[in-house]
Amino acid sequence: GAVVSQHPSWVICKSGTSVKIECRSLDFQATTMFWYRQFPKQSLMLMATSNEGSKATYEQGVEKDKFLINHASLTLSTLTVTSAHPEDSSFYICSATMTSGGGDTQYFGPGTRLTVL
Amino acid sequence: GEDVEQSLFLSVREGDSSVINCTYTDSSSTYLYWYKQEPGAGLQLLTYIFSNMDMKQDQRLTVLLNKKDKHLSLRIADTQTGDSAIYFCAENGSGAGSYQLTFGKGTKLSVIP
Repeated sequence: GAVVSQHPSWVICKSGTSVKIECRSLDFQATTMFWYRQFPKQSLMLMATSNEGSKATYEQGVEKDKFLINHASLTLSTLTVTSAHPEDSSFYICSATMTSGGGDTQYFGPGTRLTVL
Repeated sequence: GEDVEQSLFLSVREGDSSVINCTYTDSSSTYLYWYKQEPGAGLQLLTYIFSNMDMKQDQRLTVLLNKKDKHLSLRIADTQTGDSAIYFCAENGSGAGSYQLTFGKGTKLSVIP
């Protein structure tokens, strides 16, 4: 149980285009989902917290107009990188919370590798 | 703010035990987690410990928590080559909601055959 999927697993796009990444909780309902980005050999950086049916809460320094988050249902959140530039190239990971014996445990998706040319 | 520190590298021989250490600063943490990340993959939850416990064992994994010193460790017994990965320590301190995690930078475990 507690499986989180992401689609696509990797994407290459031209500078200036927009890319949408989907995050789904497959076997549980997640009231809260998180979006992280990870640079090579570094830890995860939280970008935003997303609750179903409400606006996402963005971390300081993350542009909400550039990284659009939509949390349409209890099993789906999407991150759209608008007008992507090479500096947006990164590994984007989502997670979804499920209340369990470990508190509100976060279960992570496999990540999406974005390369902007 | 909250801070989680880990050593960056650990190298062990196959069959030996691995011990990965982590320190944290937030005394309000209720749960502490260990995640494993293999190359090019997301994070896999390995285990967690509630802050009022001092030890938890799960097959080859043993978690020790010293709450007074804010020190957490993960011991992997009989380390295998498949254990080679980056291990992240995380705590859910006083972020916006008890579910927000603060991660360490990760410890890269290399297992020598």
